[in-house]
Amino acid sequence: ETGVTQSPTHLIKTRGQQVTLRCSSQSGHNTVSWYQQALGQGPQFIFQYYREEENGRGNFPPRFSGLQFPNYSSELNVNALELDDSALYLCASSRQDSPLHFGNGTRLTVT
Amino acid sequence: AQSVTQLDSQVPVFEEAPVELRCNYSSSVSVYLFWYVQYPNQGLQLLLKYLSGSTLVESINGFEAEFNKSQTSFHLRKPSVHISDTAEYFCAVRQQGGATNKLIFGTGTLLAVQP
Repeated sequence: ETGVTQSPTHLIKTRGQQVTLRCSSQSGHNTVSWYQQALGQGPQFIFQYYREEENGRGNFPPRFSGLQFPNYSSELNVNALELDDSALYLCASSRQDSPLHFGNGTRLTVT
Repeated sequence: AQSVTQLDSQVPVFEEAPVELRCNYSSSVSVYLFWYVQYPNQGLQLLLKYLSGSTLVESINGFEAEFNKSQTSFHLRKPSVHISDTAEYFCAVRQQGGATNKLIFGTGTLLAVQP
């Protein structure tokens, strides 16, 4: 079975710009969530989508937004990028109430 | 609210020696417990999980962890490590019966295996 895939693998943006990160869920998974992992830290929960609706959100401002599509793929959008947004962004998929399976992440650098 | 504490940021150990990575959690509700491993420039891989039943859980590559409810701990152990075990290890908790699969992670422990 195909695992969780994320694109792009690396990205460099300038402060104030907008970015879109993409994620394809593992086959059979209907839930997708996004995490931010700053350097030297554990991942922090951004939000989760289930059946194309956001059903949980961490302590992140509204400029972090997302979408889940009918095929369960997902996007993370970040507006008005700040230097502190530089991090590894991880997508994870699962069936409802099962362990998360993570992708390899997108490394975002904001200059 | 839940929180996870990994007491050691880095654990150096020689190859074939035993190792224990410590994890303590705080929660007012029942939780599920997980260990994930992260190799350089990769995402997280599930190493093992405690959902219910036996408090001792094992992975296919020789790691084990024991859920201790009274001490709110879920320490990870391996009797003999290999060079290939060098990686960052994250302990995580998830609320049982919660509306989401949200994981709360610790800050990670770097296991550095030396020859």
